[in-house]
Order: sequence, then C-alpha cells, then structure tokens
Amino acid sequence: DTAVSQTPKYLVTQMGNDKSIKCEQNLGHDTMYWYKQDSKKFLKIMFSYNNKELIINETVPNRFSPKSPDKAHLNLHINSLELGDSAVYFCASTSLETQYFGPGTRLLVL
Amino acid sequence: GQQVMQIPQYQHVQEGEDFTTYCNSSTTLSNIQWYKQRPGGHPVFLIQLVKSGEVKKQKRLTFQFGEAKKNSSLHITATQTTDVGTYFCAGHGGSTLGRLYFGRGTQLTVWP
Repeated sequence: DTAVSQTPKYLVTQMGNDKSIKCEQNLGHDTMYWYKQDSKKFLKIMFSYNNKELIINETVPNRFSPKSPDKAHLNLHINSLELGDSAVYFCASTSLETQYFGPGTRLLVL
Repeated sequence: GQQVMQIPQYQHVQEGEDFTTYCNSSTTLSNIQWYKQRPGGHPVFLIQLVKSGEVKKQKRLTFQFGEAKKNSSLHITATQTTDVGTYFCAGHGGSTLGRLYFGRGTQLTVWP
C-alpha cells in the first residue's frame, strides 16, 4: 500500500489555466505539507496543515490555495498558472518525526 | 529566520572514492535528519540524529551530529553507482509541529 499518494503524476498545461493536485496519506498522520522543488533540487516549503488547520503559509502567491477536507487529504489548487510555476510539487506527511513524501507531481506550464 | 546551509551543491566522484556533504544551521537544532532522493524519485528518510556528538553508521554511510547540535555531516566510503542522487539534511528546530528546515541538497554523481 502506498503511504502517501499524489495525483496526477504529470501535468502539462497552458499558461493562464487553473489546475489542482491531490494528495492522500494512509499513515494516520495529523500534519501534511506541500513543497515545491525547482530544477536545482531546492525543496521549498509552501504550506502545512495540522488536522485540517493551516499552520504554515510561506510567502506563496495568492494563486496557490491549499485545502484539507480531512486530515488524510491535502489538495493544492493553482489559479492562472504561470511559466514559473513549472516544478515538481511534493506532498508529505509527518508523525512529528520523519517526513514521508509522495511521489511528486511534475507540472509543466507552456 | 532559521536556516540550514548545505555544501557542496554538486559533487562528482569516481566509483570507489569517498564523498562527504556538510550541513550547518544558524540555530541549535533539536534533531537533524538526512534524506536521499534518487533521480526522478522523491526524498526518502535515511536517518535521524538527536544527541550532541552522535555518530551513526549505515553500512558505508556515516552520519555525525556536532557537539553544539548546529552542524552535521554525511560521509560515504567507497561510493558506488547506486549512491547517485541528491542528499538533503533537514533540521528540526523543535517548534511548529514537525517542520523541517531543509538544506539545498548535494547532488552526487558517481562515474563508473
């Protein structure tokens, strides 16, 4: 069983479109994250939710809006996509110790 | 804010050579973790160090946590092609519910 899953794995879209990425974890963790990884492999934290409540909101454009319907799910909606949004987006969940990462969503904005 | 610096950013070695990556935090850490990301993959937890001066080994990998709990290193002896990937250190500051401060990673290439 996959501990942290993300859909879709690949996303190719045009500038200006709106898209969503979904994440689910079956580890029973309370805290989940979204990270953006650029082409130089830098992992930048975007958001964190603890038990459906937003606890970390880094300097991220308003076009990015996370939503956590329950503690096992953390989705990311992106409005008006820009070229600079092209990256790999990782979801992760934590037991306050180790972080478990999803397989990533490779987003390419054309 | 809290920062974790990691060097080098890139390292190219011949198979059989040793490799070391270093992390330094601007503040004292409650623990430090190391992750490995294979090309095309996702970061995977390797180990956690908690105690001042702690040294842990996993086969050819040796992890150290500094006495002041502000720096750490990962050393690989006699690298193999399977060691290729990006190695991240991540510091836990002890607050904000499990947040880790990731270094920028060291991308290791191993030539056969």
